[in-house]
Parts: sequence; C-alpha cells; structure tokens
Amino acid sequence: QLQLQESGPGLVKPSETLSLTCTVSGASISSGGYYWGWIRQPPGRGLEWIGSIYHSGSTYYNPSLKSRVTMSVDTSKNQFSLKLSSVIAADTAVYFCVRPAVAGTAVRSFQYWGQGTLVSVSS
Amino acid sequence: QSALTQPASVSGSPGQSITISCTGTSSDVGGYKYVSWYQQHPGKAPRLMIYEVTNRPSGVSNRFSGSKSGNTASLTISGLQAEDEADYYCSSYTNSGTLVVFGTGTKVTVL
Repeated sequence: QLQLQESGPGLVKPSETLSLTCTVSGASISSGGYYWGWIRQPPGRGLEWIGSIYHSGSTYYNPSLKSRVTMSVDTSKNQFSLKLSSVIAADTAVYFCVRPAVAGTAVRSFQYWGQGTLVSVSS
Repeated sequence: QSALTQPASVSGSPGQSITISCTGTSSDVGGYKYVSWYQQHPGKAPRLMIYEVTNRPSGVSNRFSGSKSGNTASLTISGLQAEDEADYYCSSYTNSGTLVVFGTGTKVTVL
C-alpha cells in the first residue's frame, strides 16, 4: 500500500523559504516510472498544482510559481522535497504531496495523496 | 489560465442521481481525454474518483461515473448516499503553461 507523508515547519516568516519533505513508503521512488508532485490548497479555497519531479530529477513547475520553486529527490531516503522561496501570506495553504495514477504522466490525474500539512506564513 | 467552472453547490435526496458539470475550453476539457474528478471531505485529502474522463480507480464505487461533451465534463453520482456529501473538484490537462487546471469546486449536499 503506497503511502505519502509530508513533514516540515508549520510556520514560516514572510520572505523566508518554505521547505517540505514527502516520505514515500510502500513503493520505491526510483522504480515504476512515476512522477511525484506537490499540490496546495489555501484555507477554504481550491487546489493548485505546484510542480512534479521524476526520480531522474526532471521537473515540471507551475509557471506562476516557477521563479520561487525548487523540487528535489533523494532516492536513498525514498523522499522528495519542495522549497518555495520568498513566501508571502498568500502562500499559506495545506500542502499535499501526490503521485499520479498513470506512470509516465506528470499531471493528468493524482491518485495517491499525503494527508496534507498546513503551512502558515506569518511574522 | 482560468479555473474550470463548476456549480457552487448541488443537492439531492438519498437514492437520487445528481450531476456536476465542469466547463472549460478547447485548450483543456474539450481538447483532451484527461479530465479527472476528486472527492474531498472536510479536513481530508482529495480522493481520485474518475480519471481520463470515464475511468474509475480500483475501490471507487460504480455509482460514480464520468462523461464529456465538447468543453464540458460531467460527474454523475447515482443512488446518492449520505457519505457522498463532500466537495468535488474536476481537473484537466491543459496546453497552457500550467499543464493542469482545477475546477472551482462543488459542494454536494445530501438532503
């Protein structure tokens, strides 16, 4: 059973960098040909795709966030990570790590989700 | 890239069928067979209910079905049950730079 679990600080100061890690269990990040991604949801609002990464390091980022986003993979720990720089209050959201339903596709459908972690941006 | 348009709310009585629409453009919904539907209960992560317009992941009830006509996709829930009360989001691949666009969300209420 594939499981994803987000971890990281729940509070980040404005202008600083938000850093989250997703730990994968039940499958290897480097096998199966899947992309791994991040989606966020501001409180009471809808979903926004942030980006996706392959185990080789190939990435796709949402253009609206691309200048501030960095994603990476650590296959030895079976983890992937998100960094969002220069955060502002509007970056306050629940951040989910995800995996698509279909191998080889980055964004077509997200079948596996972490439980989500609320990150608040406030001084 | 604008969000896909969904009705804010849809309601129905137990046992009835309801349909949620998701309207986009030829750059997303109308142009590709990559529409997905997600169910989200309060405080929980979304759950994939339908992918590639009509496909159900293993474990999803066959009371949930998807379809598409032109630039509008639809999710139908038949035999409505109390547990179906949740928020529902559609998404689609898009040939714009964002790659994927989500819907505005629909709150389903079981009367």
